[in-house]
Amino acid sequence: EVQLVQSGAEVKKPGESLRISCKGSGYRFTTDWISWVRQMPGKGLEWMGRIDPSDSYTNYSPSFQGHVTISADKSISTAYLQWNSLKASDTALYYCARHFQPLGASYYYMDVWGKGTTVTVSS
Amino acid sequence: QSVLTQPPSASGTPGQRVTISCSGSSSNIGVNTVNWYQQLPGTAPKLLIYSDNQRPSGVPDRFSGSKSGTSASLAISGLQSEDEADYYCAAWDDSLNGYVFGPGTKVTVL
Repeated sequence: EVQLVQSGAEVKKPGESLRISCKGSGYRFTTDWISWVRQMPGKGLEWMGRIDPSDSYTNYSPSFQGHVTISADKSISTAYLQWNSLKASDTALYYCARHFQPLGASYYYMDVWGKGTTVTVSS
Repeated sequence: QSVLTQPPSASGTPGQRVTISCSGSSSNIGVNTVNWYQQLPGTAPKLLIYSDNQRPSGVPDRFSGSKSGTSASLAISGLQSEDEADYYCAAWDDSLNGYVFGPGTKVTVL
């Protein structure tokens, strides 16, 4: 079974650093991108950025560029989302998702999602 | 403000047909395929439609997608109570070089 398993909920103080993880299993991790998606309380989905685990190429939404870092360790099939200095406004639910491209196709879609990691930032 | 536009809400009685629109531009829907995601309360999003009108295995054929120009639509026919959820359209945007979601539409079954 293809699945993405995310790390557990985090409670942090403003200014602290944090790295959350997303471990893929059941498929070849380097074949497909991993995207990160934010959902603030009571709000919609926001694409943050993605990484190609085969070469760690990343690209970010302009809204998140410079605020977070996406990385991956293909040896352990894990992608990461990192903050150096959290703010209260980073409080949200964060999902990772496999950004799948069928063989020979020119299109992508997020077909497998993690259950989400809740991040709470409060003093 | 979202690059893609959706109505905030839609509703219908059981058995009715509900349609959700998604409006974009020449840099996203106009040149790339549209995907739709369903998010039931308290759960992770689920892929509902990909490549404009394709259903993943396991998605009931009550759900259908279409696209014309820079707009797309999701239709739910034979609405059921378990269809109460938030629905998001999404597409790659070539100008932003990123994936964009619509703001979501909350479907209520009356």
